[in-house]
Amino acid sequence: EAGVTQSPTHLIKTRGQQATLRCSPISGHTSVYWYQQALGLGLQFLLWYDEGEERNRGNFPPRFSGRQFPNYSSELNVNALELEDSALYLCASSYIDRVPVSPLHFGNGTRLTVT
Amino acid sequence: GNSVTQMEGPVTLSEEAFLTINCTYTATGYPSLFWYVQYPGEGLQLLLKATKADDKGSNKGFEATYRKETTSFHLEKGSVQVSDSAVYFCALISGSRLTFGEGTQLTVNP
Repeated sequence: EAGVTQSPTHLIKTRGQQATLRCSPISGHTSVYWYQQALGLGLQFLLWYDEGEERNRGNFPPRFSGRQFPNYSSELNVNALELEDSALYLCASSYIDRVPVSPLHFGNGTRLTVT
Repeated sequence: GNSVTQMEGPVTLSEEAFLTINCTYTATGYPSLFWYVQYPGEGLQLLLKATKADDKGSNKGFEATYRKETTSFHLEKGSVQVSDSAVYFCALISGSRLTFGEGTQLTVNP
């Protein structure tokens, strides 16, 4: 079974630019989650998509947005990049209707560097 | 709201030492509890889980028991190896929302 795949692996942008990060979930998973991991620790929840809809959002400004496509893959867009947006962005996928609760499966992340 | 508190790191041990990483949680209802591990340069991997009180999750020599009375899910391993060096995250799911602790950096020296 192929795992969660993220692209690109690394992304370098300058302040004010836009970044687009992509995620393909495990086959059959309908939920996609995005997390920001800065400074090597501490995951901050960004967004949760399921069945094409945004289900929940973390405490991030509106310039962080995304979408989920009919094939359940997802994009995270970050507009008007700021230096503090430099981080590892992790995508995870899961089922949400399994009992017991299905854990999240993570990709290896996209390292975004803003200069 | 839900929250997870982990012992602060970093933790440095010698090979074959005993490991405990403390984790306590606050949640409404009956959350499922998880430990994830992140090796350098990689994403998070599920290490073990427990879905109800008194369940013990175990994997690769690691164990954790879901203690509802103390709202804890401490991670233990009897004899750590250099290859266990990683960041460990305690997490819970309640209402389909996954909440992570801050992570604990573990370094095991030969």
